[in-house]
Amino acid sequence: GESVGLHLPTLSVQEGDNSIINCAYSNSASDYFIWYKQESGKGPQFIIDIRSNMDKRQGQRVTVLLNKTVKHLSLQIAATQPGDSAVYFCAETAAETSYDKVIFGPGTSLSVIP
Amino acid sequence: ETGVTQTPRHLVMGMTNKKSLKCEQHLGHNAMYWYKQSAKKPLELMFVYSLEERVENNSVPSRFSPECPNSSHLFLHLHTLQPEDSALYLCASSRVRGDEQFFGPGTRLTVL
Repeated sequence: GESVGLHLPTLSVQEGDNSIINCAYSNSASDYFIWYKQESGKGPQFIIDIRSNMDKRQGQRVTVLLNKTVKHLSLQIAATQPGDSAVYFCAETAAETSYDKVIFGPGTSLSVIP
Repeated sequence: ETGVTQTPRHLVMGMTNKKSLKCEQHLGHNAMYWYKQSAKKPLELMFVYSLEERVENNSVPSRFSPECPNSSHLFLHLHTLQPEDSALYLCASSRVRGDEQFFGPGTRLTVL
């Protein structure tokens, strides 16, 4: 969706380079974290998740790193492609809310330069 | 159709109108959600339904009224909205509560 009025952090990368998108979360009780990708005119799409008993998880071209000590999450995209251009959201949730309350970050806009 | 669909995709309404947003999921999921995505705030959870029972109401004003007649359909009835309610309203579903959520494309609502 459009983001008029919201000044999202923006990351511009050259096609083929690696991208790193960072996220700070707020609730120390959060034990499940998700990264979503939202392209213009579409709803968020699940990319990868990680539970608090892990500090790294890899998918296809994506890696999520979790640092519980400083409450920091990152998404690494390898060999970034033009189709990766989108807004990326991290989200946190916790067993104490039965994982119903998913709290989303403000998002980072990734632009891939061909 | 597959996945999560939402209608209408765009809606313009006056403050005195009554309208409804519709969400339908074709995934056989048992939980459905309404979110609000506005220009100035992160994505906000509004309501959670599990097996057609509302399990979460995230301090949403009463001018928003959800309805879940069955596990495949979710409505958001709108009445006497304010211009600040203009936003993208997203529906999502998951197999069970707390599971991975699949989002629809959203309804872009403008309140004049």
